[in-house]
Amino acid sequence: NAGVTQTPKFRILKIGQSMTLQCAQDMNHNYMYWYRQDPGMGLKLIYYSVGAGITDKGEVPNGYNVSRSTTEDFPLRLELAAPSQTSVYFCASLGGSGTDTQYFGPGTRLTVL
Amino acid sequence: GEDVEQSLFLSVREGDSSVINCTYTDSSSTYLYWYKQEPGAGLQLLTYIFSNMDMKQDQRLTVLLNKKDKHLSLRIADTQTGDSAIYFCAANSGGYQKVTFGTGTKLQVIP
Repeated sequence: NAGVTQTPKFRILKIGQSMTLQCAQDMNHNYMYWYRQDPGMGLKLIYYSVGAGITDKGEVPNGYNVSRSTTEDFPLRLELAAPSQTSVYFCASLGGSGTDTQYFGPGTRLTVL
Repeated sequence: GEDVEQSLFLSVREGDSSVINCTYTDSSSTYLYWYKQEPGAGLQLLTYIFSNMDMKQDQRLTVLLNKKDKHLSLRIADTQTGDSAIYFCAANSGGYQKVTFGTGTKLQVIP
């Protein structure tokens, strides 16, 4: 299994541009998450999904959108990039093995100038 | 909501034990986790403990849970330079969306 994969690894955007951060998992997990990590801070939940076709807002959803058309993929869309969205973005999925543990992707480092 | 707090930095000498502390606020937290993040990488689950346990040992790692004080600690025995990383404490207070992370403790191991 590849686990949780994210693309791209790095990206620089200009203010007002849009982009999609890709996330995929091959573990057949129903639950998937997007977090952002700012320097010196913990992870903040942006959006999450409990299964294909079902998404919901987390703690900091403003400026982002998500979709979940398949179990495997959970893309995160930034429509009008702002400097406040400069961060490292992590995608995670959760396995139902009874431990409720999350598996994280390697992250996407986004800079908005 | 849940609040999880950790100290930001810990420095130890190679071969010593490291103890990283964490406090949480929601007494209904069911699972408590420790994650490790190496530079440029995602979070990797190190270990977890159920709320009905007070200790868990896994090789060099020992997790202690004091439910009364809502205090969690991670002890790393014989700390190595490869243990240098940021360690995150996290608490699951119910529901698959309710995992709250601390700010992370940066562990520096001095050779």
